[in-house]
Formats: sequence, C-alpha cells, structure tokens
Amino acid sequence: GAVVSQHPSRVICKSGTSVKIECRSLDFQATTMFWYRQFPKQSLMLMATSNEGSKATYEQGVEKDKFLINHASLTLSTLTVTSAHPEDSSFYICSGRQGAGEKLFFGSGTQLSVL
Amino acid sequence: RKEVEQDPGPFNVPEGATVAFNCTYSNSASQSFFWYRQDCRKEPKLLMSVYSSGNEDGRFTAQLNRASQYISLLIRDSKLSDSATYLCVVNVGYNFNKFYFGSGTKLNVKP
Repeated sequence: GAVVSQHPSRVICKSGTSVKIECRSLDFQATTMFWYRQFPKQSLMLMATSNEGSKATYEQGVEKDKFLINHASLTLSTLTVTSAHPEDSSFYICSGRQGAGEKLFFGSGTQLSVL
Repeated sequence: RKEVEQDPGPFNVPEGATVAFNCTYSNSASQSFFWYRQDCRKEPKLLMSVYSSGNEDGRFTAQLNRASQYISLLIRDSKLSDSATYLCVVNVGYNFNKFYFGSGTKLNVKP
C-alpha cells in the first residue's frame, strides 16, 4: 500500500523555537496533504488542507502565520510550527491523498513537546 | 455542532463478545464514510469503507443510514487484538476535499 514517511517522530524543543515536520509520499503522488493535530484523548483535528503548488486552506481557529505549510512538490509537504509554545505540544500527523481518491494515507505522526 | 460525533466509551467487553459502535454526522452532503482504527499514539489505519448497502469484512460489519445520518460498526467474536480506538470518518466537500474524524470510541477487550 501507499506509504507516507513522516519525520521526525518525536521532537522536544524550547519555547520560542521553530520546528519543521516533513511528510513524504514514497510511492504515490500526494496531490493533497491534510495536516491534523491530536491532543491526548481527543480526536484528530483537521488543521489545514494543502494542494500541491497552492496555498494551504486553514480550518477556523488555526493561525496560518504560526503553522506554515508548504506543499511545493507532489511528494513533499512540510509543516513548520513557528515560535512554538507549550500549548502547541501535541501529536501532529499528516495524510496524503492521490487525486480525487477516497483513501487517506497517513504518516506515522510527530509528537511535539515544547518546554 | 461537531461534524462527526461518537460515544467515547470505553467499551469493556470480554473476548468473544459482540460489540457495536455508532457514529452520527451533521452534514447531509457527506459523501463517503469510513471506519479507522487507531492504536495509542500511532497513525490511524483504515479498517473499512462504509457503503449504503452495508458491507462485511470477516468479523466486522459496517452500515450506513443516510436518512438518520448515522454509521455503525459491529464487531463479532471480539479478540484481544481488537482493543483500540475506532474512529468514524466522514468525507465532505467538493472533490472529496474534507475528511472529518470523530473523537473515537475506545474498545477494551478483556480475557
């Protein structure tokens, strides 16, 4: 099946630093990449949807200047958490979709801890 | 109102039991429906799609009721390995462009 490689799997950083998370689709072209955040014991919350070559569409309440998403190629999308604060600590996960397909292919997630 | 709502559980059942989960969705224009399984701090994995006619995959049966806007998942002969959180997922929007997840229902299967 299709594979999405997400790195890093875990990152611990100091408050105020920026963290970049990468998702690569290894064997398919991810025309759309979805970024989710999951707090403990809560559901995956859609943060933004990005289509290759276009600006990401952010969900209500998600700051686009804080969570920078780049999807410059069909195989790579990145999420940068700028000036991270402890309240940004969460599990971040990407999922790719090829064309108009119904299936989502998930990365393995990134656990971000901001001290 | 949330796009997708589920009973968070947990459902604690013995091995061999039959257990059913329901999920309701708010957008009548929702197009596709899925059940995913998520183990603790791992990525969700697709369990099965849900079709209008209902569908079965081994011990798992999924059903969709568009009129009442709910989806169900039935697990028969529960195994210890079925312990996980089950996520209901609904796809809406032009060109399948939005996937919304329920909060998940936790299942604990006990020996």
